[in-house]
Amino acid sequence: GEDVEQSLFLSVREGDSSVINCTYTDSSSTYLYWYKQEPGAGLQLLTYIFSNMDMKQDQRLTVLLNKKDKHLSLRIADTQTGDSAIYFCAERGDDYKLSFGAGTTVTVRA
Amino acid sequence: SAVISQKPSRDICQRGTSLTIQCQVDSQVTMMFWYRQQPGQSLTLIATANQGSEATYESGFVIDKFPISRPNLTFSTLTVSNMSPEDSSIYLCSVEGLAVNEQFFGPGTRLTVL
Repeated sequence: GEDVEQSLFLSVREGDSSVINCTYTDSSSTYLYWYKQEPGAGLQLLTYIFSNMDMKQDQRLTVLLNKKDKHLSLRIADTQTGDSAIYFCAERGDDYKLSFGAGTTVTVRA
Repeated sequence: SAVISQKPSRDICQRGTSLTIQCQVDSQVTMMFWYRQQPGQSLTLIATANQGSEATYESGFVIDKFPISRPNLTFSTLTVSNMSPEDSSIYLCSVEGLAVNEQFFGPGTRLTVL
């Protein structure tokens, strides 16, 4: 089965950039996703990248994909207190099902 | 993006009882899924809800415990049967959006079993 791994915690100072890393094992992944979950809330789709791309930028978010190494990262520029949340990386295969990482808890400190 | 609602948003139930969770989408979607998020954990796919036919369950999940209905393209239910405290989790439905690469999640149902 698919295996997605993430570091569990990240602490960053307000205004700095955050980089969250993820590795996956399924070489047939078609899309890779980043979701955000705030306390007590559901999952918010932040961005996704097609497996044939290596970079996608959307305002403060930059996704980098190294398909050879099966490594995905999410960079948040100018991190704000509202960015404190759990960030999940997920991969999707041909069957539309998502496999999630354990989630990275990002804490933004003043 | 699709707007997804779930009912109830939370519930506290006694062991041995059953709870049915509803998922409503504001537009017709082809794919609907049910996930479980145990406390402090990631999401695990329970099943794919198929319109007009039996759901497709993932390894470790069975129909007797988690019966699913999907009568049309905008609605699905998940029942958690004969509950035990180990079923305490957040249950989320998700849908494949109009742009087929995007999957959106409902707000979740937080279930506590005593």
